[in-house]
Amino acid sequence: AQSVTQPDIHITVSEGASLELRCNYSYGATPYLFWYVQSPGQGLQLLLKYFSGDTLVQGIKGFEAEFKRSQSSFNLRKPSVHWSDAAEYFCAVGEYGNKLVFGAGTILRVKS
Amino acid sequence: DGGITQSPKYLFRKEGQNVTLSCEQNLNHDAMYWYRQDPGQGLRLIYYSQIVNDFQKGDIAEGYSVSREKKESFPLTVTSAQKNPTAFYLCASRDRGRSIETQYFGPGTRLLVL
Repeated sequence: AQSVTQPDIHITVSEGASLELRCNYSYGATPYLFWYVQSPGQGLQLLLKYFSGDTLVQGIKGFEAEFKRSQSSFNLRKPSVHWSDAAEYFCAVGEYGNKLVFGAGTILRVKS
Repeated sequence: DGGITQSPKYLFRKEGQNVTLSCEQNLNHDAMYWYRQDPGQGLRLIYYSQIVNDFQKGDIAEGYSVSREKKESFPLTVTSAQKNPTAFYLCASRDRGRSIETQYFGPGTRLLVL
C-alpha cells in the first residue's frame, strides 16, 4: 500500500532562515505528490503539486519542492521563513481512485 | 462566495449517542470526502462519494455512515459503534473534471466525547 513518511514531527527555525521539510513516499508507479498547509483549527490549503515534468515545482507563498525519484522524496523548501509560515505541513500522495494518502504532518515553529 | 461549510465547529457526544456532522458545498463539485485527523497521524479517509447516491468506504469507515442524497451535501454520522470518536473531522470536495489534487477543504468540526 502507498504510504507517506514525514520524519520530523516538529521543526523550529528562526525568522529569515531557510526551511526544508522532509517527505518520503512509497508508491509503485510515478506518484502524484502534494504539499498542504494547515493553520490551527483550520482546513487544508494546497501549497504545490507534482505530476510529471520538471522535478522542481513552485508553489504559493514562496514555497518550492523537489521530486527525487532515486530517493523517493519530495522535500518542501523555502529560502526565508516568515513568522506567518508557522503551521502544520502535510505531504500527500495521490492514490488510485482519486484518494489522497497523507503523511503524519510536520509542525513548524518560527522563532522571532 | 463559493466554498465548503462544515457545522458545527464543535460538537459534543454522549456515550452511546449518534451524532451527525454537516458538510455543504456550493462549488458544484461531484466528489466529496470525509477525513479524520488525529494528532500525529495526519488525515485518514473515512468515506468518499464520486457522485450523488453513491459512496465508498475509505480506510477507517467502521463506526461511521454517510449519505449523498444531494450533490451539495455529504453528512457524516458518527455512530455509537465508533468507540474513539474524539478527533477533528475535515470534509473536502473536488470537481471530477479536474485532476485529483484540487480537493477543497472545509474548516473542520471538532468532536469531543463527554
